[in-house]
Amino acid sequence: DQQVKQNSPSLSVQEGRISILNCDYTNSMFDYFLWYKKYPAEGPTFLISISSIKDKNEDGRFTVFLNKSAKHLSLHIVPSQPGDSAVYFCAASVTQGGSEKLVFGKGMKLTVNP
Amino acid sequence: NAGVMQNPRHLVRRRGQEARLRCSPMKGHSHVYWYRQLPEEGLKFMVYLQKENIIDESGMPKERFSAEFPKEGPSILRIQQVVRGDSAAYFCASSPGLLETQYFGPGTRLLVL
Repeated sequence: DQQVKQNSPSLSVQEGRISILNCDYTNSMFDYFLWYKKYPAEGPTFLISISSIKDKNEDGRFTVFLNKSAKHLSLHIVPSQPGDSAVYFCAASVTQGGSEKLVFGKGMKLTVNP
Repeated sequence: NAGVMQNPRHLVRRRGQEARLRCSPMKGHSHVYWYRQLPEEGLKFMVYLQKENIIDESGMPKERFSAEFPKEGPSILRIQQVVRGDSAAYFCASSPGLLETQYFGPGTRLLVL
């Protein structure tokens, strides 16, 4: 039962263009959503998050959009840079009974070509 | 401010041995989470601890796995009698509180021969 889905395993874009990474979820109880970036042999690095009560959050080149009715969020990176090449994980936070856990998608590999 | 520390970074064990993975949270963080990542998969929640307390272990296998976060020292994830299926990357994350961003360590890559 995959509650957070990243349906595209990979994306390739040219440097300077926009990268759009998509994520769908099924659980309406998620409190907020996060994007992490991961390089090989390293841990996930936090990028940006958005509360379930908002529809947009922006931080520099990164913007996350949330469409609650569609249970869909996306991460926009503009302009894309070669250093952005990594695996990106969408994650959702669920809080229940005093506990919190993150539910991750399978990840999507972004390649930004110079 | 040092990030989340995990050691060892790589661990090789033979079937039946014990594996101990350590995690030191970021300074000021009292909440620790352990996740496991199998090849080609996303991270899967295992356990959530605060100092001296296990808050949620709903993601932990019922047998052979245990976790602790003592008053002093790092959090420990312990796997007894390891099997080949335990081979994975184990990540620890910490946060200052509930609904606060979780920051991850570099992970421990466990290989069971």
